[in-house]
Amino acid sequence: NAGVTQTPKFQVLKTGQSMTLQCAQDMNHNSMYWYRQDPGMGLRLIYYSASEGTTDKGEVPNGYNVSRLNKREFSLRLESAAPSQTSVYFCASGGGFGDNEQFFGPGTRLTVL
Amino acid sequence: GESVGLHLPTLSVQEGDNSIINCAYSNSASDYFIWYKQESGKGPQFIIDIRSNMDKRQGQRVTVLLNKTVKHLSLQIAATQPGDSAVYFCAERNYGGSQGNLIFGKGTKLSVKP
Repeated sequence: NAGVTQTPKFQVLKTGQSMTLQCAQDMNHNSMYWYRQDPGMGLRLIYYSASEGTTDKGEVPNGYNVSRLNKREFSLRLESAAPSQTSVYFCASGGGFGDNEQFFGPGTRLTVL
Repeated sequence: GESVGLHLPTLSVQEGDNSIINCAYSNSASDYFIWYKQESGKGPQFIIDIRSNMDKRQGQRVTVLLNKTVKHLSLQIAATQPGDSAVYFCAERNYGGSQGNLIFGKGTKLSVKP
């Protein structure tokens, strides 16, 4: 039981490049989330998916797109990376209605030059 | 428990002492309040939650207190251990808005001295 896995762990991009962050969970959760965490800040929600086939914007969606590929996988895409997107990105699952516990992956540390 | 700029508030305690981490929340309509622990280089981990109609809840070595009058939440850790060193985040949840998503505070760093 791996929980929530994320790839890659680290990535350096140049401004304007694109990339996709991958996330998978094996806990059969309906809900999945993407957060970003900046130094000295809490987590801010980028996008979420309450169930397979649905996605919705969170607090800071600009510059990102997501795909809920199936129940297990939820990917985050940066189409044209900007230095302001330098951050640590966390994927989480669980925490659907009536459940406050979200399970987080280990994070992806992204630097945009 | 709220940070200013890039610097997290830090609480330094001696091993074996009790720790109290505080958090001010913003939405009086929030249904639940939750504490997460984040160790260095890892994702956050759920500790405990409390419903808005309660004022106290206990877990293993942890107690959460909720004061709705002043919109204040605290996490008490008994007999603090080196393994408790981490950043602690409070979060609030309002099922009536934003699809019930979690809104995280900025965190407090707990440092345990051996």
